[in-house]
Amino acid sequence: DAGVIQSPRHEVTEMGQEVTLRCKPISGHNSLFWYRQTMMRGLELLIYFNNNVPIDDSGMPEDRFSAKMPNASFSTLKIQPSEPRDSAVYFCASSLGYKRGNEQFFGPGTRLTVL
Amino acid sequence: AQSVTQLGSHVSVSEGALVLLRCNYSSSVPPYLFWYVQYPNQGLQLLLKYTSAATLVKGINGFEAEFKKSETSFHLTKPSAHMSDAAEYFCAVSDPIDRGSTLGRLYFGRGTQLTVWP
Repeated sequence: DAGVIQSPRHEVTEMGQEVTLRCKPISGHNSLFWYRQTMMRGLELLIYFNNNVPIDDSGMPEDRFSAKMPNASFSTLKIQPSEPRDSAVYFCASSLGYKRGNEQFFGPGTRLTVL
Repeated sequence: AQSVTQLGSHVSVSEGALVLLRCNYSSSVPPYLFWYVQYPNQGLQLLLKYTSAATLVKGINGFEAEFKKSETSFHLTKPSAHMSDAAEYFCAVSDPIDRGSTLGRLYFGRGTQLTVWP
């Protein structure tokens, strides 16, 4: 089992540029979660999907952020345009929900730096 | 929504000393409780989870946690700290199952940074 895969691991970009973060969940998992981690705000849930359908995006900070899950094995988080305050580590996690006690499996994260 | 409070954003102990990291959750009894650990520059890893089978839960690396309904607590302990335990620890809870949710959302605390001194 390869675990949750995220790419890129590091991204450095300039303010105003579009950023796309990618996630491949564990095969067979039906829920996918995007988190953001910063020193100031800790770990924040941005959005989550169940069976590829967005369930709750209330954590998405602004309209500049969007997320998609076109199929069960791929999801993207896009920031357009990016701003320096978006600098953070972004994690993707997947889960089988109550089928396996709600345990979430986290990817290694993408460290985003917006200059 | 559930809420989780981790008392103490930083805890320091000497190697060999008892580790106690505190976690309290909001009043509805959650079906599942978790402790995750995050080492520098890594994602979160599951340390242990409570699923109502037993109130004392044993996890990896010698950690254990006890679910106390009367105190709405799920504190994490380890009898003897090791240098390799230095990391950030997160407590998390899920929605009550009686809400009919099967979607597995977790609510995380702010985290506790554990420092272990030689």
